[in-house]
Order: sequence, then structure tokens, then C-alpha cells
Amino acid sequence: QPVLTQSPSASASLGASVKLTCTLSSGHGTDAIAWYQQQPEKGPRFLMRLNNDGSHNRGDGIPDRFSGSSSGAERYLIISSLQSEDEADYYCQTWVTGVVVFGGGARLTVL
Amino acid sequence: EILLAESGGGLVRPGGSLRLSCVASGFPLSNYAMNWVRQAPGKGLEWVSYINAPSRYIYYADSLKGRVTASRDNARNLLFLQVDSLRVEDTAVYYCARGLQGSGWFSDLWGQGALVTVSS
Repeated sequence: QPVLTQSPSASASLGASVKLTCTLSSGHGTDAIAWYQQQPEKGPRFLMRLNNDGSHNRGDGIPDRFSGSSSGAERYLIISSLQSEDEADYYCQTWVTGVVVFGGGARLTVL
Repeated sequence: EILLAESGGGLVRPGGSLRLSCVASGFPLSNYAMNWVRQAPGKGLEWVSYINAPSRYIYYADSLKGRVTASRDNARNLLFLQVDSLRVEDTAVYYCARGLQGSGWFSDLWGQGALVTVSS
């Protein structure tokens, strides 16, 4: 089954941009993933599905400050014009039939 | 309003059982695959179960296989998760989540979660 690797933390300044990375394990480099945001003390929120070619479909109500891109086995979440409410944990997720896998999550701090 | 709401969490002794419910509002549950995902205190997300719309295909995480049963009642817009032989390590917030149309293994709508605490 696939393994998703995320760096555990990231930080960026208010108003700046940040790129979070999710790396797919060998043999799964063309898989689509999803990105989720989890703000403190809240349930996860679907941000987007991100395909191998970089095309992505944002969830309902997700602003276009959130975008995605892909390069090889890496999937990126790019957040521009950072706001204080973007401080949260971010998870990537993929699947094969019968198994869903989450990355370990990345905590984003907005400075 | 389109939402999911879990219920049935609480304190359970090790070895006990619990049945979580999830009610869907604002959309027909029958059109969607559903997932259960849990999160232990201070930890990341862990997938628990997938059930497709007609309940024909149901899958479970290896960590709970044999102790968990997912089911649904589409007529009542309800999803269920039965967990037996509970262990301390099953302590977590349990979320129900709606499968994304066309790719039900991704989840585009999540409930607020139900806390299950397993302790003696």
C-alpha cells in the first residue's frame, strides 16, 4: 500500500505564500491525492483533490488562495496571501482499493 | 444546511462495545460512499472504514478488522459504526465523512466528530 510523507512543520509570515509537500512512495508516483485542513479543535475540511498532472478541484467554499501542483511523486499545496486562520494542520491522503492512507500531517504556523 | 453529525461517543470500559451513528442532513446519503476516520488525542488522522452507497463494498483498516462493522440505512440517512472488544488505544475522536462524487475514497464533507474514551 502507498505511504505518504509530509514534513511535520512549516512556517511563513502573514501575507506571504507557503508550499507544503506530500511525497508518494515508490510505485504510487502517479496517484491522485486529497489535501485537508484541520484547524485547532475542529474536524478536517476538504481542500482539494490533486491529480498527477497538477489539475485540482477545490472543495466548496475553498478560496483560490489554496492551489495545488504536482511534480513526479510530489504533490504540493500552495497557500498564498497567508491569513491567521490558515494556521492549522494539513494532511494529504490517497488510496488503493480497500485501503485509505493519510500522511502524518504538517503543522503550519503563520508568523 | 448540508452537514454530518455523529453521536454515540462516550466512556467505555476495555472490552466493551460502542455503536456510533452519523446522520446526514441536506443531501441524500444514498448517493454517496462514506468513510469513518479517527484521530487519537494529539495524533494524526487514521482511516477506519469505507462503505459504498449500496453497502455492497465495505472495507476496514487492518488495525480494527474483526472488531468493527460499518453499516448504513439510506432510507433514514444514517451511517453506523459498531466497534467491539474496545482497547485503550481505540480512544479517539471518530469522524464520519462523505465520499467525493466519482472518487468516494476521498472525503469532501466531515462531521464534527464523536469522542470515544476507552478506560477502566
